[in-house]
Amino acid sequence: AQSVTQPDIHITVSEGASLELRCNYSYGATPYLFWYVQSPGQGLQLLLKYFSGDTLVQGIKGFEAEFKRSQSSFNLRKPSVHWSDAAEYFCAVGRRGGGYNKLIFGAGTRLAVHP
Amino acid sequence: DGGITQSPKYLFRKEGQNVTLSCEQNLNHDAMYWYRQDPGQGLRLIYYSQIVNDFQKGDIAEGYSVSREKKESFPLTVTSAQKNPTAFYLCASSWDRENTGELFFGEGSRLTVL
Repeated sequence: AQSVTQPDIHITVSEGASLELRCNYSYGATPYLFWYVQSPGQGLQLLLKYFSGDTLVQGIKGFEAEFKRSQSSFNLRKPSVHWSDAAEYFCAVGRRGGGYNKLIFGAGTRLAVHP
Repeated sequence: DGGITQSPKYLFRKEGQNVTLSCEQNLNHDAMYWYRQDPGQGLRLIYYSQIVNDFQKGDIAEGYSVSREKKESFPLTVTSAQKNPTAFYLCASSWDRENTGELFFGEGSRLTVL
């Protein structure tokens, strides 16, 4: 069965520091992969997605993620964090072929940013 | 502006009462979804619908019901059979095509059972 693991429940970084949020997935083939961000009390916004091709994916707000098939990982990175990046981040995986849009979400990583 | 509108944003319910959460989209999307969010558990799929007048159970459908009479609307009813209904509920929509996969979310409805 598909699953998504985000090992870090909470992460705190200083403003201007680099960021990496981890995501590992379990799936028998190459899945569709997504990162979403959620501000408190709000819905989710798509940051970036991987379908195929270049394994380094650029997203909005200066985020990027790298798909590593050998490690079953899709980690999210940002070189310099801004205070407005404080939010909860969700990694999600979708199946290819029939039902791809039934995404499986990780439990989320809550990011706090210190000034 | 195109988007997904959920209402109400906050809702309080007494035990034993049914409550219906509204979800409307004007994105002309084919598919619509309901997710439940609890702290530390991510999002879990309750129901989804890929076409009008058709819907399928997700992973945690027990105690919930839906309808899809119009393409734009996908209301969720939380029934008295749902044992632990207090949660944040998110509605989403998407194109039902292979090469997109992105879900668009509403701003959510927070249900509290008193």
